[in-house]
Order: sequence, then C-alpha cells, then structure tokens
Amino acid sequence: EPEVTQTPSHQVTQMGQEVILRCVPISNHLYFYWYRQILGQKVEFLVSFYNNEISEKSEIFDDQFSVERPDGSNFTLKIRSTKLEDSAMYFCASKRGESSYNSPLHFGNGTRLTVT
Amino acid sequence: AQSVTQPDIHITVSEGASLELRCNYSYGATPYLFWYVQSPGQGLQLLLKYFSGDTLVQGIKGFEAEFKRSQSSFNLRKPSVHWSDAAEYFCAVGASDSGGSNYKLTFGKGTLLTVNP
Repeated sequence: EPEVTQTPSHQVTQMGQEVILRCVPISNHLYFYWYRQILGQKVEFLVSFYNNEISEKSEIFDDQFSVERPDGSNFTLKIRSTKLEDSAMYFCASKRGESSYNSPLHFGNGTRLTVT
Repeated sequence: AQSVTQPDIHITVSEGASLELRCNYSYGATPYLFWYVQSPGQGLQLLLKYFSGDTLVQGIKGFEAEFKRSQSSFNLRKPSVHWSDAAEYFCAVGASDSGGSNYKLTFGKGTLLTVNP
C-alpha cells in the first residue's frame, strides 16, 4: 500500500537556524497537509496546500513557516528561524482529490524536531 | 469551531477483554469522523472513518465505531483486545471552511491504551 514518507525521522537544530522538513506524499494525491504534535499535547493543524498554493492555515503558521512543492513529488515545510517552542513532532499528510470526495488523510511517520 | 473530547487519558484492559474508547465532538454540521492509532515511534494510522450513511462503521484490526448524532459521540469498540493493540488512540473530526472535498482535522488529546497479559 502506498505510504507518505517523511525525512529525516529526527532533526536536531540550534535556535535561530533554518530547517526544512521533507515529505513525499502518495503519488496520486492532490491535497497536502502539515500537522504538529508538541510533546504531551494534541495533534494540531498547521497548513493545507492544494493546486500549488496554501488553501488554509492556522494561526500557528506565521511568517516563520512556509511550504513548497518544488517538484512533482516532494512537499516541504520550512521554518526560517527556529525557536525552542518549535520542538515537536511534525506530520505530513496527503489526500486524494476532488473526484474522491470522501477520502481520508494519510499520515507519514513524522519528523521529530528538537530545537536546542 | 469544531472540537473533540476524549475523556479518558489512559485506559488499562486485560488481553481478551472488550474495549470502548469514548469520543465526543462539537461541530455545527454533520461531521466527518475518524479514529487514528499511533504506536510508539510511529505515525498516525487510520483505523476507520465516517463520512455518511451507516452509522456503524467497521475498521481495520477488528475495530468498529458508532456515530450517534443525538449524543455527539463516535466511540471506538473492539470485542477482544490483543496485546498488540497497546498504543495511543486519537479521535478526530474533519471540517471544511470552504466546502468541497478539502477539510482539516481537529484531534482529541488521545487515549493511551495499556493491555495487561
């Protein structure tokens, strides 16, 4: 069964550094998402992306965050200047497109980001 | 705005016992409802989903859930738990601000399931 893959599985960075988290969604999916889970807290929505643009974002997703689909297969989340509170597990997800109205999100295994 | 409540933070059951994990949601329209499971170090795996139709839905690994509109609930059940079911379980509601087939998920805080031998 096709899977969403995320790399790296664990990223350690220093405060103020830029990080890029990478995701390869399922190949025929058209909607892409980033969620995060701070340790001990809920999984939270960050952003959704469709047709090469952001379709919705949460208040967490401020100017420090950006997403990109640089080619036909990758979907990235960039944090420009990391803060300690950005430490979390980041999940990528994808979903089939308009022709599959009732389709669920498929999640990757996550990237654990640790900001020191 | 939608919200999800999972009232049980941690549940312990014996292997072979039945299981029910509670989930209540708040949403103004008919929701999309999901249960995901997360094993240690793993991602979120979809157990089952409800979009419309039959309110009793079957999922993988022998799980089922029932949508009860009158109670705003979507409780997860399994008749006989296996040791491999030990994991964290998340209920989620899907809602769309713009309509169409795009929606975002709002998750509950999760219920950690421990299975005793």
